[in-house]
Amino acid sequence: QQQVKQSPQSLIVQKGGISIINCAYENTAFDYFPWYQQFPGKGPALLIAIRPDVSEKKEGRFTISFNKSAKQFSLHIMDSQPGDSATYFCAAPNSNSGYALNFGKGTSLLVTP
Amino acid sequence: NAGVTQTPKFQVLKTGQSMTLQCAQDMNHEYMSWYRQDPGMGLRLIHYSVGAGITDQGEVPNGYNVSRSTTEDFPLRLLSAAPSQTSVYFCASSYSIGRRTDTQYFGPGTRLTVL
Repeated sequence: QQQVKQSPQSLIVQKGGISIINCAYENTAFDYFPWYQQFPGKGPALLIAIRPDVSEKKEGRFTISFNKSAKQFSLHIMDSQPGDSATYFCAAPNSNSGYALNFGKGTSLLVTP
Repeated sequence: NAGVTQTPKFQVLKTGQSMTLQCAQDMNHEYMSWYRQDPGMGLRLIHYSVGAGITDQGEVPNGYNVSRSTTEDFPLRLLSAAPSQTSVYFCASSYSIGRRTDTQYFGPGTRLTVL
């Protein structure tokens, strides 16, 4: 089964700092790489996504950087806030079906005051 | 728009019992899927559907059945519950553009315990 490898498993960042989460994927014929954010007791919600006709996408404090040759992409959270404390998942399209997503195992982010 | 709804929110079953987890969406999405979430394992795809009457298996389909008779509904059936199926189950839906996926909207989840 195609894997999506996400690191680190957990991350503690001080308020105002930069949070960085990394993701690596195997071959896929499809071009859609999202990051989801999940708060305790809730379903995941799309945070930001990139279609790699560009190498970077920025939305507010959140940026995806994409390296197609290395099959890697990362999430950067600038000026991290306590409200950003959540679990973050990267995902990549399933190689058999462009509709389905394979998710990483998640990163638990804690932003301390 | 209610988005993606799931019922029940919580369920406790005994080993061997069967049940159906309900999922509905009111966004006219073609694509729907079921995931299970276990600690340290991320979200694993169980089954998915690209339209009414069309379903396919994901990464962990054993012990689960699905059908898609309408665009709105995508129920997940546990045939004979086992303790290994204790998990949080999420349903998701999205538009599909050709064979390209798009934003998936997740429901609030069903927390299932099998004793």
